[in-house]
Amino acid sequence: NAGVTQTPKFQVLKTGQSMTLQCAQDMNHNSMYWYRQDPGMGLRLIYYSASEGTTDKGEVPNGYNVSRLNKREFSLRLESAAPSQTSVYFCASGRQGIRETQYFGPGTRLLVL
Amino acid sequence: DQQVKQNSPSLSVQEGRISILNCDYTNSMFDYFLWYKKYPAEGPTFLISISSIKDKNEDGRFTVFLNKSAKHLSLHIVPSQPGDSAVYFCAATRSGNTGKLIFGQGTTLQVKP
Repeated sequence: NAGVTQTPKFQVLKTGQSMTLQCAQDMNHNSMYWYRQDPGMGLRLIYYSASEGTTDKGEVPNGYNVSRLNKREFSLRLESAAPSQTSVYFCASGRQGIRETQYFGPGTRLLVL
Repeated sequence: DQQVKQNSPSLSVQEGRISILNCDYTNSMFDYFLWYKKYPAEGPTFLISISSIKDKNEDGRFTVFLNKSAKHLSLHIVPSQPGDSAVYFCAATRSGNTGKLIFGQGTTLQVKP
Protein backbone atom coordinates (compact mmCIF):
# COMPACT_ATOMS: atom_id res chain seq x y z
CA ASN A 1 0.00 0.00 0.00
CA ALA A 2 1.88 3.08 -1.23
CA GLY A 3 -0.77 5.58 -0.06
CA VAL A 4 -0.47 8.85 -1.97
CA THR A 5 2.42 9.20 -4.39
CA GLN A 6 3.58 12.34 -6.20
CA THR A 7 5.95 12.91 -9.08
CA PRO A 8 8.31 14.61 -9.53
CA LYS A 9 9.85 15.27 -6.10
CA PHE A 10 11.62 18.39 -7.27
CA GLN A 11 11.44 20.55 -10.41
CA VAL A 12 13.03 23.75 -11.65
CA LEU A 13 11.18 25.70 -14.34
CA LYS A 14 11.79 28.91 -16.20
CA THR A 15 9.07 31.55 -16.27
CA GLY A 16 6.56 30.71 -18.98
CA GLN A 17 7.29 26.99 -19.09
CA SER A 18 4.53 24.48 -18.45
CA MET A 19 4.48 21.29 -16.44
CA THR A 20 2.14 18.73 -14.92
CA LEU A 21 2.40 17.44 -11.37
CA GLN A 22 1.19 13.89 -11.01
CA CYS A 23 -0.61 12.36 -8.05
CA ALA A 24 -1.96 8.86 -7.49
CA GLN A 25 -3.59 7.11 -4.55
CA ASP A 26 -4.26 3.44 -3.94
CA MET A 27 -6.70 3.75 -1.02
CA ASN A 28 -9.86 3.78 -3.16
CA HIS A 29 -10.69 7.29 -1.95
CA ASN A 30 -13.31 9.35 -3.71
CA SER A 31 -11.91 12.78 -2.93
CA MET A 32 -8.57 14.22 -3.98
CA TYR A 33 -6.99 17.60 -3.34
CA TRP A 34 -4.10 19.81 -4.38
CA TYR A 35 -2.56 22.22 -1.86
CA ARG A 36 0.38 24.55 -1.92
CA GLN A 37 2.49 25.38 1.12
CA ASP A 38 4.30 28.69 1.39
CA PRO A 39 6.29 30.04 4.34
CA GLY A 40 4.01 31.69 6.90
CA MET A 41 0.89 30.75 4.91
CA GLY A 42 0.15 27.19 5.92
CA LEU A 43 -1.45 24.97 3.29
CA ARG A 44 -3.87 26.52 0.86
CA LEU A 45 -6.27 24.55 -1.30
CA ILE A 46 -5.78 25.01 -5.05
CA TYR A 47 -8.33 22.58 -6.52
CA TYR A 48 -10.19 19.55 -5.36
CA SER A 49 -12.16 16.66 -6.83
CA ALA A 50 -15.00 15.28 -4.74
CA SER A 51 -15.38 12.28 -7.00
CA GLU A 52 -14.22 10.92 -10.31
CA GLY A 53 -15.31 13.24 -13.10
CA THR A 54 -15.76 16.34 -10.95
CA THR A 55 -13.35 19.14 -10.07
CA ASP A 56 -13.80 22.46 -8.33
CA LYS A 57 -11.78 25.50 -7.34
CA GLY A 58 -10.26 26.02 -3.92
CA GLU A 59 -8.82 29.15 -2.35
CA VAL A 60 -6.02 29.85 -4.85
CA PRO A 61 -6.90 28.35 -8.27
CA ASN A 62 -5.54 31.07 -10.56
CA GLY A 63 -2.76 29.87 -12.86
CA TYR A 64 -3.59 26.19 -12.42
CA ASN A 65 -5.70 23.52 -14.07
CA VAL A 66 -6.50 20.03 -12.91
CA SER A 67 -7.59 16.72 -14.37
CA ARG A 68 -9.18 13.85 -12.48
CA LEU A 69 -8.04 11.16 -14.88
CA ASN A 70 -9.71 8.31 -13.01
CA LYS A 71 -10.45 7.43 -9.40
CA ARG A 72 -6.75 6.96 -8.62
CA GLU A 73 -5.12 9.90 -10.39
CA PHE A 74 -5.42 13.67 -10.05
CA SER A 75 -2.97 15.90 -11.91
CA LEU A 76 -2.17 19.59 -11.52
CA ARG A 77 -1.02 21.60 -14.54
CA LEU A 78 0.79 24.90 -14.68
CA GLU A 79 0.31 26.23 -18.21
CA SER A 80 2.69 29.19 -17.92
CA ALA A 81 4.73 29.09 -14.73
CA ALA A 82 5.41 32.28 -12.80
CA PRO A 83 7.89 32.92 -9.95
CA SER A 84 4.88 33.36 -7.61
CA GLN A 85 4.16 29.66 -8.15
CA THR A 86 7.40 28.68 -6.46
CA SER A 87 6.12 26.54 -3.63
CA VAL A 88 5.79 23.05 -2.23
CA TYR A 89 2.77 21.24 -3.66
CA PHE A 90 0.95 18.53 -1.78
CA CYS A 91 -1.64 16.15 -3.10
CA ALA A 92 -4.09 14.55 -0.66
CA SER A 93 -6.92 12.06 -0.79
CA GLY A 94 -9.76 11.10 1.51
CA ARG A 95 -13.19 9.55 1.81
CA GLN A 96 -16.05 11.98 1.40
CA GLY A 97 -17.77 13.27 4.47
CA ILE A 98 -17.43 15.65 7.37
CA ARG A 99 -15.14 13.39 9.35
CA GLU A 100 -12.93 12.79 6.43
CA THR A 101 -9.26 12.46 7.23
CA GLN A 102 -7.03 13.49 4.38
CA TYR A 103 -3.89 11.55 3.59
CA PHE A 104 -1.05 13.53 2.06
CA GLY A 105 1.66 12.69 -0.40
CA PRO A 106 5.32 13.61 0.21
CA GLY A 107 5.13 16.80 -1.83
CA THR A 108 6.69 18.29 -4.96
CA ARG A 109 9.11 21.16 -4.48
CA LEU A 110 8.82 23.57 -7.43
CA LEU A 111 11.16 26.44 -8.16
CA VAL A 112 10.23 28.89 -10.93
CA LEU A 113 13.06 31.15 -12.06
CA ASP B 1 -8.55 36.98 5.35
CA GLN B 2 -7.05 34.24 7.50
CA GLN B 3 -9.96 32.20 8.86
CA VAL B 4 -7.69 29.91 10.88
CA LYS B 5 -4.75 31.41 12.74
CA GLN B 6 -1.86 30.00 14.63
CA ASN B 7 -0.26 33.05 16.16
CA SER B 8 2.85 31.36 17.54
CA PRO B 9 5.27 30.45 14.74
CA SER B 10 7.43 28.42 17.11
CA LEU B 11 7.48 26.78 20.53
CA SER B 12 10.33 25.19 22.45
CA VAL B 13 9.77 22.88 25.43
CA GLN B 14 11.83 20.49 27.50
CA GLU B 15 11.41 16.75 27.11
CA GLY B 16 8.84 15.41 29.57
CA ARG B 17 7.01 18.73 29.93
CA ILE B 18 3.69 19.75 28.41
CA SER B 19 3.50 21.33 24.96
CA ILE B 20 0.48 23.54 24.27
CA LEU B 21 -0.20 24.64 20.72
CA ASN B 22 -2.95 27.15 20.08
CA CYS B 23 -5.26 27.89 17.18
CA ASP B 24 -7.97 30.51 16.65
CA TYR B 25 -10.68 30.63 14.02
CA THR B 26 -13.09 33.29 12.85
CA ASN B 27 -15.75 31.39 10.90
CA SER B 28 -18.54 30.27 13.24
CA MET B 29 -19.74 27.81 10.58
CA PHE B 30 -16.72 25.56 11.17
CA ASP B 31 -17.84 22.44 13.02
CA TYR B 32 -14.93 20.04 12.70
CA PHE B 33 -11.30 20.65 13.56
CA LEU B 34 -8.16 18.66 12.93
CA TRP B 35 -4.49 18.75 13.84
CA TYR B 36 -1.82 17.58 11.42
CA LYS B 37 1.86 17.01 12.10
CA LYS B 38 4.54 17.54 9.49
CA TYR B 39 8.18 16.48 9.45
CA PRO B 40 10.64 18.09 7.01
CA ALA B 41 10.47 16.75 3.45
CA GLU B 42 7.31 14.76 4.24
CA GLY B 43 3.61 15.37 3.79
CA PRO B 44 1.40 16.27 6.76
CA THR B 45 -0.03 13.34 8.71
CA PHE B 46 -3.29 13.36 10.63
CA LEU B 47 -2.91 13.53 14.39
CA ILE B 48 -6.25 14.13 16.12
CA SER B 49 -9.61 15.74 15.48
CA ILE B 50 -12.61 17.12 17.34
CA SER B 51 -16.21 17.76 16.44
CA SER B 52 -17.92 20.94 17.59
CA ILE B 53 -20.34 18.89 19.69
CA LYS B 54 -17.43 18.03 22.00
CA ASP B 55 -15.07 20.18 23.99
CA LYS B 56 -12.30 17.63 24.45
CA ASN B 57 -10.84 14.64 22.65
CA GLU B 58 -7.95 12.48 23.83
CA ASP B 59 -5.69 10.05 22.05
CA GLY B 60 -2.78 8.82 24.12
CA ARG B 61 -0.43 11.70 24.84
CA PHE B 62 -2.45 14.08 22.65
CA THR B 63 -5.53 16.01 23.77
CA VAL B 64 -7.40 18.63 21.81
CA PHE B 65 -9.60 21.16 23.58
CA LEU B 66 -12.26 23.23 21.85
CA ASN B 67 -13.74 26.46 23.22
CA LYS B 68 -16.51 27.38 20.80
CA SER B 69 -17.46 30.63 22.48
CA ALA B 70 -13.88 31.86 22.17
CA LYS B 71 -13.42 30.22 18.74
CA HIS B 72 -10.23 28.69 20.08
CA LEU B 73 -8.71 25.24 20.12
CA SER B 74 -5.54 23.92 21.62
CA LEU B 75 -3.44 20.78 21.33
CA HIS B 76 -1.78 19.46 24.47
CA ILE B 77 1.06 16.96 24.26
CA VAL B 78 1.95 15.30 27.57
CA PRO B 79 4.68 14.29 28.08
CA SER B 80 6.54 15.85 25.17
CA GLN B 81 9.19 13.73 23.46
CA PRO B 82 12.02 14.73 21.09
CA GLY B 83 10.26 12.81 18.31
CA ASP B 84 7.36 15.25 18.62
CA SER B 85 9.56 17.98 17.12
CA ALA B 86 7.73 18.94 13.93
CA VAL B 87 5.44 21.56 12.42
CA TYR B 88 1.86 21.33 13.68
CA PHE B 89 -1.04 22.62 11.59
CA CYS B 90 -4.57 23.08 12.79
CA ALA B 91 -7.33 22.88 10.20
CA ALA B 92 -11.06 23.49 10.14
CA THR B 93 -13.97 22.54 7.97
CA ARG B 94 -17.77 22.61 8.01
CA SER B 95 -20.57 20.23 7.15
CA GLY B 96 -21.33 19.92 3.48
CA ASN B 97 -18.03 21.44 2.47
CA THR B 98 -16.89 18.35 0.59
CA GLY B 99 -14.01 17.89 2.99
CA LYS B 100 -12.30 21.17 2.12
CA LEU B 101 -9.91 22.09 4.90
CA ILE B 102 -8.77 25.57 5.89
CA PHE B 103 -5.33 25.40 7.48
CA GLY B 104 -3.53 27.65 9.91
CA GLN B 105 0.00 28.85 9.27
CA GLY B 106 1.61 26.17 11.42
CA THR B 107 3.64 26.15 14.64
CA THR B 108 7.12 24.64 14.76
CA LEU B 109 7.56 22.65 17.96
CA GLN B 110 11.03 21.83 19.24
CA VAL B 111 11.30 19.39 22.12
CA LYS B 112 14.74 19.53 23.72
CA PRO B 113 16.22 16.39 25.32
